[in-house]
Amino acid sequence: GIQVEQSPPDLILQEGANSTLRCNFSDSVNNLQWFHQNPWGQLINLFYIPSGTKQNGRLSATTVATERYSLLYISSSQTTDSGVYFCAVELRGTYKYIFGTGTRLKVLA
Amino acid sequence: NAGVTQTPKFRVLKTGQSMTLLCAQDMNHEYMYWYRQDPGMGLRLIHYSVGEGTTAKGEVPDGYNVSRLKKQNFLLGLESAAPSQTSVYFCASSYPGGYNEQFFGPGTRLTVL
Repeated sequence: GIQVEQSPPDLILQEGANSTLRCNFSDSVNNLQWFHQNPWGQLINLFYIPSGTKQNGRLSATTVATERYSLLYISSSQTTDSGVYFCAVELRGTYKYIFGTGTRLKVLA
Repeated sequence: NAGVTQTPKFRVLKTGQSMTLLCAQDMNHEYMYWYRQDPGMGLRLIHYSVGEGTTAKGEVPDGYNVSRLKKQNFLLGLESAAPSQTSVYFCASSYPGGYNEQFFGPGTRLTVL
């Protein structure tokens, strides 16, 4: 089956630093989403981005579907950015989403 | 709009007991999903539904059953709970077609002793 791998697995930043999170997937997909799971366990939608680039405040994302990867950029990080970031891909020809392994981010004040 | 809601928020079961988790959405979404998340891991799909009266298996369906009698509700049942089913369960819903963006409920934390 499809493999969805995220890197790095863990990341520690000082407040104000920038970071790039990566999501690689091993097969063609219909759709891709980025989520932030906050320390209370809530899953928050960040981007729905099957291809192209989107920006929302300090966050932006780029998906290059032909090369099977997506990037999430966090600029000027804040302590509230801490948590786990997941990408999830919708398998082509199905309605099923497969989640990546996650990147655990800790932002220090 | 409440979005996606899950009942209950927490539950403790003894091995062999049964229970039903309820997911409800008020967004008129066609697709609904049940996932489980084990400590330190990503979410894994248990079962999903693409419409009222339809269900299908996901990655880890064993030990669970589901029903979608009404469009807005998706039920997850554990007939005979096992300690391996201790997990956090998330429900999600989405609108079909090219824009299949999932929205998640707050989760149910289940412990099986």
